[in-house]
Order: sequence, then C-alpha cells, then structure tokens
Amino acid sequence: SQQGEEDPQALSIQEGENATMNCSYKTSINNLQWYRQNSGRGLVHLILIRSNEREKHSGRLRVTLDTSKKSSSLLITASRAADTASYFCAQEEGGGNKLTFGTGTQLKVEL
Amino acid sequence: DAGITQSPRHKVTETGTPVTLRCHQTENHRYMYWYRQDPGHGLRLIHYSYGVKDTDKGEVSDGYSVSRSKTEDFLLTLESATSSQTSVYFCAISETDTQYFGPGTRLTVL
Repeated sequence: SQQGEEDPQALSIQEGENATMNCSYKTSINNLQWYRQNSGRGLVHLILIRSNEREKHSGRLRVTLDTSKKSSSLLITASRAADTASYFCAQEEGGGNKLTFGTGTQLKVEL
Repeated sequence: DAGITQSPRHKVTETGTPVTLRCHQTENHRYMYWYRQDPGHGLRLIHYSYGVKDTDKGEVSDGYSVSRSKTEDFLLTLESATSSQTSVYFCAISETDTQYFGPGTRLTVL
C-alpha cells in the first residue's frame, strides 16, 4: 500500500493561533486516524474518524474527512507550546487493523 | 507507552550480524505490529501478527522475520543486518481500531 501525503511538512505558529494540517490518501478507507509524536517518543493516538463521518471533535481538536476528495484535516485550536510535535495521519484500508501512515507534519508552537 | 516495552532501547551492531528486537505487552491485545521510522518516510509496516503463531508481511518485510509464540511477546529478527536497516523501530499493539505504541528501539548498523 502507498503512504498518504501530509501538508504542510512543517508548520510554525505562535501560541494561541490555530494550526491546520492536511492529509491526502489514495484508496478507500474504513477509518482515518491522527497520531502525535513528541521528539524521541512513540506515537500517541489522538482521534479516529470513520468513513461515514464528516467531522469529529475532541477537546481542542477538530477532524474533518472528505471521502470524495480522499482527504482529511486536523485543526488544533488555541495552540500551546506543549502542542509542539509531529502529527501523522493513518488510514485503515482493509482487515487486520493495519494502518498506512503519512509522512507527517512537524508543528512548532512558539511562545 | 502504557503496557508496552521494547528491548533493547538502543543497539549498535555490525553489518552481517543477527539482531533480535523484542516487544512485550501486558494488555493481552490480539494484534501486534513492527514498524520502522525513517526521515522522509514516516512509519512503514514491517510485519504484523493477529494472534499466537499468526503473522503476515507488511510493506517493507524483506530482510526481516518475526515470531510470536506467546500473546505478550512479538520478536523481530534481522538475520543479517545491513546498513539500510539502520532505523528507529516501533512496536504497536491493538485490540480494535486504535494502535498503542512502544517507546522505540534505535538500531544502528555499522
């Protein structure tokens, strides 16, 4: 399977601003997930949106999914310095709970 | 990293030597995965397991083998390490849709 693409590759914003990251994928999916990775650490699951959902919220996170365009976006509102990390989208395409990860967006939130 | 440990956390080895990485879970999750993470490539699936003794290949399985003799342990073996296998290796587990990741093993092959 081929990886999706994330855009932008890197994003630098000021604390308090919103951060938007986009993800495109190539095949039909069961669900799309977003993960966060702090430098040198393992990935942490943030949010999952199923193929029949269009929008989902969790705290300061908002995820949208457009299956006709094969794309998703992650919005982090009122960003904090602690949000500095890499963010990855991942698609579940078939059985076995297998995920295909994108290449990630590096977010830096400056004070 | 709750309930998932990886060992060793760091390893330096020489080309041609065998290397085994271990992933151990205490969550009794059915599925286990091995990924490698390289700059510019994100995470790529090497092998995965859907039960004891049930494994299958992922996207980048060449040069790697796995074994799962117990629910809690998933071993990744590089039979003859090459410099192209220098990477950070992550284990993950899941029971439903969400995957939970271990802390990673940084492997350097000289």
